[in-house]
This record gives sequence, structure tokens and C-alpha cells, in this order.
Amino acid sequence: DSGVTQTPKHLITATGQRVTLRCSPRSGDLSVYWYQQSLDQGLQFLIQYYNGEERAKGNILERFSAQQFPDLHSELNLSSLELGDSALYFCASSPGEGPYEQYFGPGTRLTVT
Amino acid sequence: GEDVEQSLFLSVREGDSSVINCTYTDSSSTYLYWYKQEPGAGLQLLTYIFSNMDMKQDQRLTVLLNKKDKHLSLRIADTQTGDSAIYFCAEKVYSGYALNFGKGTSLLVTP
Repeated sequence: DSGVTQTPKHLITATGQRVTLRCSPRSGDLSVYWYQQSLDQGLQFLIQYYNGEERAKGNILERFSAQQFPDLHSELNLSSLELGDSALYFCASSPGEGPYEQYFGPGTRLTVT
Repeated sequence: GEDVEQSLFLSVREGDSSVINCTYTDSSSTYLYWYKQEPGAGLQLLTYIFSNMDMKQDQRLTVLLNKKDKHLSLRIADTQTGDSAIYFCAEKVYSGYALNFGKGTSLLVTP
């Protein structure tokens, strides 16, 4: 158990819908990272927050957004969902902004039908 | 980001050594990582190496780094069936220390 929790574990929704994925980092960790894992694209970095502020963006679509709240939990919002958005979404946390180990949550499996 | 390259599949017999190879993209990468993913689980950091090192050993794991060729390898000695998993090579290329991952090497250890 990494100490990172993600909810829900599984999510099935229809095209065009909007969903919110939630992540609670390890106690004391200030950085949260979101990654998408799909069969064709592999594991791709989406976005990072540090202590409530956006720090880096990767291959995140404009239909996707995220935020980190004062209690440090983070939410990833996915809208106008397409079949290709079906994937495993991982959240990871680390203590700060250095090259620390990133602790990964168990992931949320999103299926868009 | 650009692609971190890994072979997709490796099969070894229990007790043999496994060598998983990776070619990374950014010659200025300061940290390179190996993560392990077991079925249905998140990723777990196995080991990492700083770019000023050529080799790092951690129990059964040995990491070799060739900066000139941008080549990283992970050797697992005395491979066990419990080592069967997907192994990801990753480099730090983004600001903020996010990681660029390879597509993973699926290691199958047979008795």
C-alpha cells in the first residue's frame, strides 16, 4: 500500500459525459502527478500540482482539467468523453518538487462506451 | 514527449538472470528510474540512478548506465516467479520532476 488513494476504482460512462477522478496523496506529500495509461499510448504524464499550484503540463487534452485543493487532494476532470479516453488513470504523489520517489495510487479504470 | 524505448517482452527461467534494456531520449536527464507494475496494481519504484553514475547495485538489482548511447539496463539476478511483472524505464524531462515512461517490458518467469 503506497498511501495514495484513488476513487473510484472503476468507472463506466458514455461518450459525451463528464467524470471526476479523485486522488488523496500520502500524508505530508505536496506534489501530485496525474498519468494516463492506455494500451496504445503507454503511460503518459498529464499534469502536476505542487501545494495547490499547477507546476507542469504534459499531454493533457483541453477537455481535461485538474486542480489541487487546500487539503492537498486533487481531482482530475474529464469532459466530452470519447471512446479513446478509456484508460487507467494514475495519481502519484511525492514530498516536494525534487527528484523524489513518486508513490503511485492503484489507479482508476475508466471505460467509455 | 519523445519515446523512451524498451523491448516489449522477455521470458526467462527461474534462477536465471534477467536483463531489461531501455534507450532514453534526453542526454541531460539527471535521474533515471525503474518502476515495476504487478497486475492490477500501481507502479512501484524499484531503483534509480543519477546520471553521474555508471552503475548502481541494490541487492538482486543492478542498473547500468551508458550516457554516451543513452542506454539504461536493469539486471535482476536469480529471477523468481514473483518477479513476473511489467518493468518501466523512466526519465525526468519535464519541469516539476514528472516522468517520461517507456511502454514497459513484460517479464515472464517460468519455473
